[in-house]
Amino acid sequence: DTGVSQDPRHKITKRGQNVTFRCDPISEHNRLYWYRQTLGQGPEFLTYFQNEAQLEKSRLLSDRFSAERPKGSFSTLEIQRTEQGDSAMYLCASSLTSGWYNEQFFGPGTRLTVL
Amino acid sequence: QKEVEQNSGPLSVPEGAIASLNCTYSDRGSQSFFWYRQYSGKSPELIMSIYSNGDQEDGRFTAQLNKASQYVSLLIRDSQPSDSATYLCAVLGSDSNYQLIWGAGTKLIIKP
Repeated sequence: DTGVSQDPRHKITKRGQNVTFRCDPISEHNRLYWYRQTLGQGPEFLTYFQNEAQLEKSRLLSDRFSAERPKGSFSTLEIQRTEQGDSAMYLCASSLTSGWYNEQFFGPGTRLTVL
Repeated sequence: QKEVEQNSGPLSVPEGAIASLNCTYSDRGSQSFFWYRQYSGKSPELIMSIYSNGDQEDGRFTAQLNKASQYVSLLIRDSQPSDSATYLCAVLGSDSNYQLIWGAGTKLIIKP
């Protein structure tokens, strides 16, 4: 257990529905990342927060995806109007700002299945 | 396009032997390198970090970095069946202090 928690662990939804995932990072970590991973691939970067500020969002990310990190603590990732291609493992990671080191620690992930 | 390349495997190694996993990267200015272990259906787990040329050892794991050759490797000594997993190489790009560039991973199988 890295100290990063995610909820829910599994989500099954029908195409067109909205879903929201939550991530609680390691308490002293000020950086938070969302990734998506499909079978046989490395994690794909979605977005990044430093404290409460969303500093980067992947250009590959559809407008249906939005993320927030109010007060610089937990974060939520919402997917609107889900599509079957959104089925994947959604991973959250956190790290400390520490120059070039940036060791990222992952939560257990949320597995999304869109029917 | 910055890339990290890994042999997808599977790499099959007898129990007790040394498993050697390799990774090459394209961004010559990269400074931080990480190995993650990922069991099937689970999330990546950080097992080694390395920042300077040479070897970094932690228990049965040794990470090796050669920046001139743009090459990172992970050695696992006395391999155990519990080491069977996919090993992901991640590199911090030279133009970012947060965004990792990921390889697709090497599947390692330790045969009893």
